[in-house]
Amino acid sequence: DGGITQSPKYLFRKEGQNVTLSCEQNLNHDAMYWYRQDPGQGLRLIYYSQIVNDFQKGDIAEGYSVSREKKESFPLTVTSAQKNPTAFYLCASRGSGSYWTDTQYFGPGTRLTVL
Amino acid sequence: KQEVTQIPAALSVPEGENLVLNCSFTDSAIYNLQWFRQDPGKGLTSLLLIQSSQREQTSGRLNASLDKSSGRSTLYIAASQPGDSATYLCAVSNDYKLSFGAGTTVTVRA
Repeated sequence: DGGITQSPKYLFRKEGQNVTLSCEQNLNHDAMYWYRQDPGQGLRLIYYSQIVNDFQKGDIAEGYSVSREKKESFPLTVTSAQKNPTAFYLCASRGSGSYWTDTQYFGPGTRLTVL
Repeated sequence: KQEVTQIPAALSVPEGENLVLNCSFTDSAIYNLQWFRQDPGKGLTSLLLIQSSQREQTSGRLNASLDKSSGRSTLYIAASQPGDSATYLCAVSNDYKLSFGAGTTVTVRA
């Protein structure tokens, strides 16, 4: 089955810790995205990558970092510089077709809680 | 900056009633508009995609319209069922990026 997997499903972080969220896709998609979702708000873009070894900041990149060493993997690190990291994190991917017709496919999400 | 608004934030209807969900956006220079469904604690599932040159799209009981000039889209769900209970999110595409509304949470009462 093709799709996107995220792990872990739940993650707890202590103050001052860095944590890494995993995102893997077997859809052979070039583009991958990380979003943050807070209650009552729409998804906000953290980082995106349109090709291996390249990525760009989204709207709320401060306190986060990413890497894209493999096409199928796009891990997100939440650093201690992110002051309010408690949220639901969603990873998505998109094929290399047209912007007019292509949708994004989403993983099941990781819920991060700061203790 | 693209702003996407969804009204109402929540909606509760008896089973069998038709649902009408609204979405508005500020920048009409879009590639497409998409509707997603999100169940509690889960990821998003794509429901419908309307290209900017199209006026509507249909899938089963779902019909979405798009008026790009006025910056509005409406999602209609006919003959609602308890299984339709979820949050519905609208998103507009400006090249690489999707801009999302906050969603409408729908409860269908049996």
